[in-house]
Amino acid sequence: DGGITQSPKYLFRKEGQNVTLSCEQNLNHDAMYWYRQDPGQGLRLIYYSQIVNDFQKGDIAEGYSVSREKKESFPLTVTSAQKNPTAFYLCATKSEGRRNQPQHFGDGTRLSIL
Amino acid sequence: GNSVTQMEGPVTLSEEAFLTINCTYTATGYPSLFWYVQYPGEGLQLLLKATKADDKGSNKGFEATYRKETTSFHLEKGSVQVSDSAVYFCALSSPRRGGTSYGKLTFGQGTILTVHP
Repeated sequence: DGGITQSPKYLFRKEGQNVTLSCEQNLNHDAMYWYRQDPGQGLRLIYYSQIVNDFQKGDIAEGYSVSREKKESFPLTVTSAQKNPTAFYLCATKSEGRRNQPQHFGDGTRLSIL
Repeated sequence: GNSVTQMEGPVTLSEEAFLTINCTYTATGYPSLFWYVQYPGEGLQLLLKATKADDKGSNKGFEATYRKETTSFHLEKGSVQVSDSAVYFCALSSPRRGGTSYGKLTFGQGTILTVHP
């Protein structure tokens, strides 16, 4: 989706290191989401934010942290407490202005352990 | 809680074959239902959606009908192409505005489709 930019596309983490994944959007969407995708599995929700300066834990928040200081940005930090971080991470956004709007996804960041 | 169950894959078809990928759900109230497609190395793209019972979503030759009586949203295409090879995800969105789960998507595990020439 051209309106959502995830960077970097590939990221490598050393043991004990924190890394931050970027998600920027120019769709003027209020809500933003972070998902983790493992091979052969569906997406699992890590964190989400419905408005600036507010965010909620999803189903698998342990070992991750987020911030939402600007409407356009929702960075995800994978901390050293996340023992199995190797996965494909997807950011999504959604307009809150109308009901039943779909989520729009970025192209993802693939995180691997060195 | 909400859940989505998809037909297990992988599904392998020849070009021009008929496709069905089954999807059933469990949810309270009237969720919105979605099909997303993921091509290799990419994010998810919305394929189609339906927001109320008996709605039919359609796009690029794919169709799915929201069946509340059977809690299903099966994806169909009459004649698949090699370019349809991808992973397909069924998902539902919680319907209750203002609740903590509002707007969250619950995904099925995905179905890998491979179409051979």
